[in-house]
Amino acid sequence: EPEVTQTPSHQVTQMGQEVILRCVPISNHLYFYWYRQILGQKVEFLVSFYNNEISEKSEIFDDQFSVERPDGSNFTLKIRSTKLEDSAMYFCASSEVETGDQPQHFGDGTRLSIL
Amino acid sequence: QKEVEQDPGPLSVPEGAIVSLNCTYSNSAFQYFMWYRQYSRKGPELLMYTYSSGNKEDGRFTAQVDKSSKYISLFIRDSQPSDSATYLCASTTDSWGKLQFGAGTQVVVTP
Repeated sequence: EPEVTQTPSHQVTQMGQEVILRCVPISNHLYFYWYRQILGQKVEFLVSFYNNEISEKSEIFDDQFSVERPDGSNFTLKIRSTKLEDSAMYFCASSEVETGDQPQHFGDGTRLSIL
Repeated sequence: QKEVEQDPGPLSVPEGAIVSLNCTYSNSAFQYFMWYRQYSRKGPELLMYTYSSGNKEDGRFTAQVDKSSKYISLFIRDSQPSDSATYLCASTTDSWGKLQFGAGTQVVVTP
């Protein structure tokens, strides 16, 4: 069964450094998302991306965050100048949408640890 | 006001019992309702996906949505130890829209 894949599974970064989290969505999916889950808290929406542009973003997704689809398969989340509070699980999701109502499918996440 | 509320548990049941999970939501515009299962250090895995009110059954799983009371339920019949996980409810206004998650309910099925 097709799945969303995320790399790396665990990223350790010094505070203030830039980090790029990578995702390969399911191949025929057109909508892409990033969510995060701080330990012990809810899964929170960060951003959605469609047709090569951001379609919606949350208050969390400020200027330190950016997303990109650099080629036909990858979808990335960049965090500039990381902070301690950025430590969380980051989940990528994708959905098909154009063939009808379709749910979002999630990857297994990248655990980001900021030191 | 939290848009989706869910009791975090834990909920402990003996093997073979029915697991009953529920969420409430506040946003009347929610049209799509999902249940995800999440194992430790894994991503949310889609279990059930429903549109508007009604029931949906898939094997041992039944999802119910009552939009009049803003109440979402998931029932797991003949529970197994492998069902031990955190169950997340989620809702959205449009099929492509951002998901609002509940806090997740931890379920433990004891042999």
